[in-house]
Amino acid sequence: GAVVSQHPSWVICKSGTSVKIECRSLDFQATTMFWYRQFPKQSLMLMATSNEGSKATYEQGVEKDKFLINHASLTLSTLTVTSAHPEDSSFYICSARTRQDRYNEQFFGPGTRLTVL
Amino acid sequence: QKEVEQDPGPLSVPEGAIVSLNCTYSNSAFQYFMWYRQYSRKGPELLMYTYSSGNKEDGRFTAQVDKSSKYISLFIRDSQPSDSATYLCAMSAGSSASKIIFGSGTRLSIRP
Repeated sequence: GAVVSQHPSWVICKSGTSVKIECRSLDFQATTMFWYRQFPKQSLMLMATSNEGSKATYEQGVEKDKFLINHASLTLSTLTVTSAHPEDSSFYICSARTRQDRYNEQFFGPGTRLTVL
Repeated sequence: QKEVEQDPGPLSVPEGAIVSLNCTYSNSAFQYFMWYRQYSRKGPELLMYTYSSGNKEDGRFTAQVDKSSKYISLFIRDSQPSDSATYLCAMSAGSSASKIIFGSGTRLSIRP
């Protein structure tokens, strides 16, 4: 149980284009999903918290107009990197919380590696 | 000073050895402590989930939390080459509004 998928697993795009990454909870309903960014040999940095049916909460320093998050259903959240630039190249990982009373138990997707040329 | 400090390694040990991974932290409000394993180019996998101080054992893995010293450990017994990965400690104060703070990860290599 508690399986989270991401699509695509990797993507290469040209500078200035937009890229959408999907995060799905396959065998449970996730009222809350999280988006992280990870640079090589560094830890996970939380970008935003996404609650189903409401606007995402972004961490300080994360541009909400650049990283658009939509959590349209209890099993799907999307992250769209708009007007991507080479500095946006990174490993993006989503996670989902299975239960409201276990705030800290997050299950992670396999990640999406984005390369912007 | 970072909220969570973790030695990045790399740590290389022979197969069968006992591995000790550690993190220190500065925020006394942290109540929940987790260990994640992350293989290269994959998302983290939750290994251990503990609350407050004490020990928790799951198979070859034992997690220890010493809140008085603000120090947590993960022990791996009878280490296997398949245990080679990056291990991330993580912790949280525990409310629904609390973020999970991750350590930078320790790269572990088990030599056959």
